[in-house]
Amino acid sequence: DSGVTQTPKHLITATGQRVTLRCSPRSGDLSVYWYQQSLDQGLQFLIQYYNGEERAKGNILERFSAQQFPDLHSELNLSSLELGDSALYFCASSVADGGSYEQYFGPGTRLTVT
Amino acid sequence: GDSVTQMEGPVTLSEEAFLTINCTYTATGYPSLFWYVQYPGEGLQLLLKATKADDKGSNKGFEATYRKETTSFHLEKGSVQVSDSAVYFCALSAFLKAAGNKLTFGGGTRVLVKP
Repeated sequence: DSGVTQTPKHLITATGQRVTLRCSPRSGDLSVYWYQQSLDQGLQFLIQYYNGEERAKGNILERFSAQQFPDLHSELNLSSLELGDSALYFCASSVADGGSYEQYFGPGTRLTVT
Repeated sequence: GDSVTQMEGPVTLSEEAFLTINCTYTATGYPSLFWYVQYPGEGLQLLLKATKADDKGSNKGFEATYRKETTSFHLEKGSVQVSDSAVYFCALSAFLKAAGNKLTFGGGTRVLVKP
């Protein structure tokens, strides 16, 4: 158990809908990251937050947004969902903002868009 | 941009065989290097890391050495078990002030160990 929790574990929804994925980082970790894992794209970095502020953006679509709250939990919002958004979404956390700090991953949320 | 290339699988081995998974990288600056493992239906678990040239990361019988001259971080284990069957990911983190410290992953290598 990494100490990172994600809810829900599975999500099935229809095209055009909007969903929210939730992540609670390990106790004491200030950085939260979101990644998408799909068969065709592999593991792709989406976005990083550090202590409530957006830190870096990766291959995140404009239909997707995220935020980190004062209690450090984070939410990833996916809207106008398309079939191609079906994937496993991982949240990770690290204690600080530096390349040598290891990131600990949650169990993921499997999103299926039908 | 940064990239990680690792050998494609699947790699099929017998129990107690020697495992090597090749990983090479391209990065600006001096990245930290990681190996993560993903068991079926689970998230990624950190297996080991190395943060500078010639560092050796090790955990659970797995080892990898950060080779700056060959830009490589190959994963090895001397004697695999059935329980080592999983997908292994090589990753790097090259911290840049303007870009945070995202992980860049290789494509993953599936390993299947048969009894």
